[in-house]
Amino acid sequence: QVQLVESGGGVVQPGRSLRLSCAASGFTFTTYNVHWVRQAPGKGLEWVAVISYDGRNQYYAEAVKGRFTISRDNSKNTLYLQMNSLRAEDTALYYCAREISIFGLIPDAFDVWGQGTMVTVSS
Amino acid sequence: QSALTQPPSASGSPGQSVTISCTGTSSDVGAYDYVSWYQQHPGKAPKVMIYEVSKRPSGVPDRFSGSKSGNTASLTVSGLQAEDEADYYCSAYAGSNNVFGTGTKVTVL
Repeated sequence: QVQLVESGGGVVQPGRSLRLSCAASGFTFTTYNVHWVRQAPGKGLEWVAVISYDGRNQYYAEAVKGRFTISRDNSKNTLYLQMNSLRAEDTALYYCAREISIFGLIPDAFDVWGQGTMVTVSS
Repeated sequence: QSALTQPPSASGSPGQSVTISCTGTSSDVGAYDYVSWYQQHPGKAPKVMIYEVSKRPSGVPDRFSGSKSGNTASLTVSGLQAEDEADYYCSAYAGSNNVFGTGTKVTVL
């Protein structure tokens, strides 16, 4: 079945780095833009970043620009989020999410979500 | 990019309707017809209920409908059912990035 499975979360000290992964299955990964969305404990959803289906374009939220890098390996059907210079305010459940349409030119809705991986930034 | 503004809470009795607003600006909600709505139950991942302002994905009941006027989008849930009790978030395209709403907790009385 169509599935996204995140991994790589954990507890990390402020200023350190962490890389999240999102393994896709059950669909043609190479035809979809994919996003990272986070949710701090007890808070709302916050969009983090998007990468185009071919990996050529990436866009970021202002809160993470310059610190986070989104990438993908289409040969492995895997999405990544490299998070550097982590801060306490980055503590959240990180979801990867697939756009609803293939070859999207404009980021549209997210129709497939993973279960999330928790990142806690604390000394 | 500021979050879109939603009322913190909304409620209704079973069978009634509830409408949730999502107010943005002329750079996001008002600029593009790429507004979507998500339902999130506690401990679960969000689920898309409406996309591109008023389209329903396959499997979403027609009790859920969406609309937009100017810088404000709306989600209406008709014929409220117990399982509709959840948090609801709007989202909009804002030119190279997406922005979510502040979220609305819907309670079925």
